[in-house]
Amino acid sequence: DAKTTQPNSMESNEEEPVHLPCNHSTISGTDYIHWYRQLPSQGPEYVIHGLTSNVNNRMASLAIAEDRKSSTLILHRATLRDAAVYYCILRDRTQGGSEKLVFGKGTKLTVNP
Amino acid sequence: GAGVSQTPSNKVTEKGKYVELRCDPISGHTALYWYRQSLGQGPEFLIYFQGTGAADDSGLPNDRFFAVRPEGSVSTLKIQRTERGDSAVYLCASSAGLAEHNEQFFGPGTRLTVL
Repeated sequence: DAKTTQPNSMESNEEEPVHLPCNHSTISGTDYIHWYRQLPSQGPEYVIHGLTSNVNNRMASLAIAEDRKSSTLILHRATLRDAAVYYCILRDRTQGGSEKLVFGKGTKLTVNP
Repeated sequence: GAGVSQTPSNKVTEKGKYVELRCDPISGHTALYWYRQSLGQGPEFLIYFQGTGAADDSGLPNDRFFAVRPEGSVSTLKIQRTERGDSAVYLCASSAGLAEHNEQFFGPGTRLTVL
């Protein structure tokens, strides 16, 4: 699986937008971009995924660069509950591609009240 | 509905002992995964089941680690001759199978401490 690069940590204030960057310069054409997050003392949970177009769901938005070498997870209004480690993961969806998730160290997001 | 459950939530054992960790996936999920997470690190893949068979066991660190899923539902991760370096949180996840994003649903984990 291709590697991703994320900042170790970021801080935000409550109710402000947060932009979490991810670089994946060696992404292949069949790689989907997935984001998971892990709240303290819990297992990871799915946030969002995309291939080429920007995506929105109830939790967040995903902005994907035109060349797909980077992406940004956007939390529109951070809450204290959004404090977590956010993981950007590439998954190969071709036939025979592994179903496993390859986690890096992620970005630890701190939300200040 | 019920999510993925794991038992026990905590397990303390002595070096050299045998341990079993159990995972109950979401009902109907055909795919089941085991990961382990050391302090300050992201989860590390161990093994993936599709139904009863291990489709990918490339992450098992050595032959002391073994996992089974005999009826395609509950899975047990077995660790023989435990070592202090095996101390970690062991996470289980399940998914509905092959799909565009194949979202994995994680349990709360079992914290294993080897003294």
